[in-house]
Amino acid sequence: DTEVTQTPKHLVMGMTNKKSLKCEQHMGHRAMYWYKQKAKKPPELMFVYSYEKLSINESVPSRFSPECPNSSLLNLHLHALQPEDSALYLCASSHRTENTEAFFGQGTRLTVV
Amino acid sequence: QKEVEQNSGPLSVPEGAIASLNCTYSDRVSQSFFWYRQYSGKSPELIMSIYSNGDKEDGRFTAQLNKASQYVSLLIRDSQPSDSATYLCAVTQGSGNTGKLIFGQGTTLQVKP
Repeated sequence: DTEVTQTPKHLVMGMTNKKSLKCEQHMGHRAMYWYKQKAKKPPELMFVYSYEKLSINESVPSRFSPECPNSSLLNLHLHALQPEDSALYLCASSHRTENTEAFFGQGTRLTVV
Repeated sequence: QKEVEQNSGPLSVPEGAIASLNCTYSDRVSQSFFWYRQYSGKSPELIMSIYSNGDKEDGRFTAQLNKASQYVSLLIRDSQPSDSATYLCAVTQGSGNTGKLIFGQGTTLQVKP
């Protein structure tokens, strides 16, 4: 089973709203990732969690706040976003961070109005 | 020079032909190489991983790696219209311990019936 589940699939939010994206995997993976993908562009790494600890923050604005409550869950809290933050947000997981295959969830399509 | 380069295409092949997708990378110490397939509006799906020089075959797919030339390719035999998608080459940054993947821009493949 190589399933990573993301909710919601679609989200429309205003610039003053607070919302959260959720990601769950039950493959025993200890590395989890958030990526952002704009139309016709490749995924861009935002955050890496390794063994529930934040190991990489790719200089992401503070209006994006990640959280890893346990080894199976990853959240991305959103606050005061801008229209240019509209994108497909992808969660991925891998066994570890070292050289291992990453599997993506189906993504959350976010629109900021 | 981009870290991972792919020809954006579109690459158009007739049904039943071999599609050849190419990727070059700039980081000589990269250890792991992946091909993802992404259908329009969907998330990336891992189709091949390769870690050592040479060929790796899985069904109709063959990945080829040449670390000396910093080159990785994907061959799709007996191409089908369902193979029409964007193919993303991904390479681990550095020795790969951080889990950071660098994606190429992707090559759009069109398989014509």
